[in-house]
Amino acid sequence: EAQVTQNPRYLITVTGKKLTVTCSQNMNHEYMSWYRQDPGLGLRQIYYSMNVEVTDKGDVPEGYKVSRKEKRNFPLILESPSPNQTSLYFCASQGQSNSPLHFGNGTRLTVT
Amino acid sequence: QKEVEQNSGPLSVPEGAIASLNCTYSDRGSQSFFWYRQYSGKSPELIMFIYSNGDKEDGRFTAQLNKASQYVSLLIRDSQPSDSATYLCAVTPSGGYNKLIFGAGTRLAVHP
Repeated sequence: EAQVTQNPRYLITVTGKKLTVTCSQNMNHEYMSWYRQDPGLGLRQIYYSMNVEVTDKGDVPEGYKVSRKEKRNFPLILESPSPNQTSLYFCASQGQSNSPLHFGNGTRLTVT
Repeated sequence: QKEVEQNSGPLSVPEGAIASLNCTYSDRGSQSFFWYRQYSGKSPELIMFIYSNGDKEDGRFTAQLNKASQYVSLLIRDSQPSDSATYLCAVTPSGGYNKLIFGAGTRLAVHP
């Protein structure tokens, strides 16, 4: 089954404690991205990757890091989480640029 | 700032009626347009995409695009209670094929 898998689904942490949210896709897609979703603001892109070792900032990259060492994996790293990063996060992949996004199941992060 | 605007709703329609969801976008160079459905706490799932002016039909769903008016809509015929969800309009901005700009979504409630 074609899918994008994120883990964990829920995460509660404290300010400053580094965390990683994993994302993996099995569709051999070149394009992957991370979005956060906040009430009233919709989905906003954090980072995206066009291929292995090629990443770039989206609209809200501050406080986040990503890496793309393998085509299938695109982890999101919060080096020092803060409460304003409490949000619902989605990883997504695309087969080609300009094509629809395939979303993972989401990670609800709470930073206290 | 390139924007996508949607009425937040809720849009309430009786079962069996036509639901009409609207979206306007500010970037005149946008090329691709998507409608996603999102149930509470779940990830967005693709309903329709449209690239050219006019109508595109898929089952009970019809997407309508008018680039001159910078307007895209989604019609849902024979609405069912299971269609109750938030509908997200998304647009590929000019020069940004690796991202989508999302509206905040319209909540649809179909009542029996």
